[in-house]
Amino acid sequence: EPEVTQTPSHQVTQMGQEVILRCVPISNHLYFYWYRQILGQKVEFLVSFYNNEISEKSEIFDDQFSVERPDGSNFTLKIRSTKLEDSAMYFCASMNTRSYEQYFGPGTRLTVT
Amino acid sequence: ELKVEQNPLFLSMQEGKNYTIYCNYSTTSDRLYWYRQDPGKSLESLFVLLSNGAVKQEGRLMASLDTKARLSTLHITAAVHDLSATYFCAVDGNNDMRFGAGTRLTVKP
Repeated sequence: EPEVTQTPSHQVTQMGQEVILRCVPISNHLYFYWYRQILGQKVEFLVSFYNNEISEKSEIFDDQFSVERPDGSNFTLKIRSTKLEDSAMYFCASMNTRSYEQYFGPGTRLTVT
Repeated sequence: ELKVEQNPLFLSMQEGKNYTIYCNYSTTSDRLYWYRQDPGKSLESLFVLLSNGAVKQEGRLMASLDTKARLSTLHITAAVHDLSATYFCAVDGNNDMRFGAGTRLTVKP
């Protein structure tokens, strides 16, 4: 069964550094998403992506964040200058446009020190 | 702005009992989702509800949607320990998914 994959599983970075989180969505899906979940808290929508451009973004997704689909398979989230409060679990998801079901990847735990 | 309220936030149940989790949302939406999350894990899709009156069942879980009342319910029948997890509802505003705060369910023997 196809699944969404994410790398790395855990990233530790220093405040102010840039990080790139990578996702490989399910191959025939057309909508992609990034979410984050601060430990023990609710899941927060960051951005949705369709047809090589941002479809919607939340108030969290400010100029420090960007997304890209650099090739036919990867979907990346870049945080330009990390802050302590960016420490969270980041989940990528892709959507089956027939069933509208969203499939989540295993997540990347980002720790900013 | 789309707001999603879920209750209760914590639920402790005896095995064999029934209970319902509620999810209210503030604006019109085409899609409502229910997810399960085990500690330290990702989100597992349980149900996608697409229309008013939609009802879906899988095992001991049944979800329903009333778009006029902007309310979805997740009903648990004859709970078993394996259902212990956090359950989230999420509403798609316009490719802009908003999650409820989650219901942490503990099923006790």
